[in-house]
Amino acid sequence: ETGVTQTPRHLVMGMTNKKSLKCEQHLGHNAMYWYKQSAKKPLELMFVYNFKEQTENNSVPSRFSPECPNSSHLFLHLHTLQPEDSALYLCASSQDISSGISGEQYFGPGTRLTVT
Amino acid sequence: RKEVEQDPGPFNVPEGATVAFNCTYSNSASQSFFWYRQDCRKEPKLLMSVYSSGNEDGRFTAQLNRASQYISLLIRDSKLSDSATYLCVVNDYKLSFGAGTTVTVRA
Repeated sequence: ETGVTQTPRHLVMGMTNKKSLKCEQHLGHNAMYWYKQSAKKPLELMFVYNFKEQTENNSVPSRFSPECPNSSHLFLHLHTLQPEDSALYLCASSQDISSGISGEQYFGPGTRLTVT
Repeated sequence: RKEVEQDPGPFNVPEGATVAFNCTYSNSASQSFFWYRQDCRKEPKLLMSVYSSGNEDGRFTAQLNRASQYISLLIRDSKLSDSATYLCVVNDYKLSFGAGTTVTVRA
């Protein structure tokens, strides 16, 4: 399936590196999301964008910086990360959420990030 | 109390068996509910939305009990391919995910 794609699929980075995660959706959706999934823990919603505008930031540290140039693309810029940031980072998309966040989301395959 | 709680399992069942598990939620004002499945090292995929009257999709039945604040998922005639972690999602104007219930179907 190619509805939501993410690159890279795996990333190993040092604490002083700067890298970016990319997400692209081909579903015609207007809302996009970044999630963090750590082992044995629930998904943690990080950021929400609707029509390119950020609508939610769940107290995410500033070392994570999202960017949404249009409704189809979403980036997560990473810098000076910590080892505890190692996790699976998932992107998702859904229909327009102007009337409320949607529970019907389509996820990308994720980027497995390891911070050394 | 966690917003969404699930029994982590694992539920180990033989092929053909029926397995059921619940998810409890703390906010009585929650509006909508969903089940996702997540295979090992893969992304979550929407399995079904849970309607107030319950919802059935083939071998899968989801039910909502607002009085006791839980939703359930029942899988009939289990297949090997049903082995996965099932995530409960509750929408109360923000999405809350459970940590998942792992189901393993054995031959």
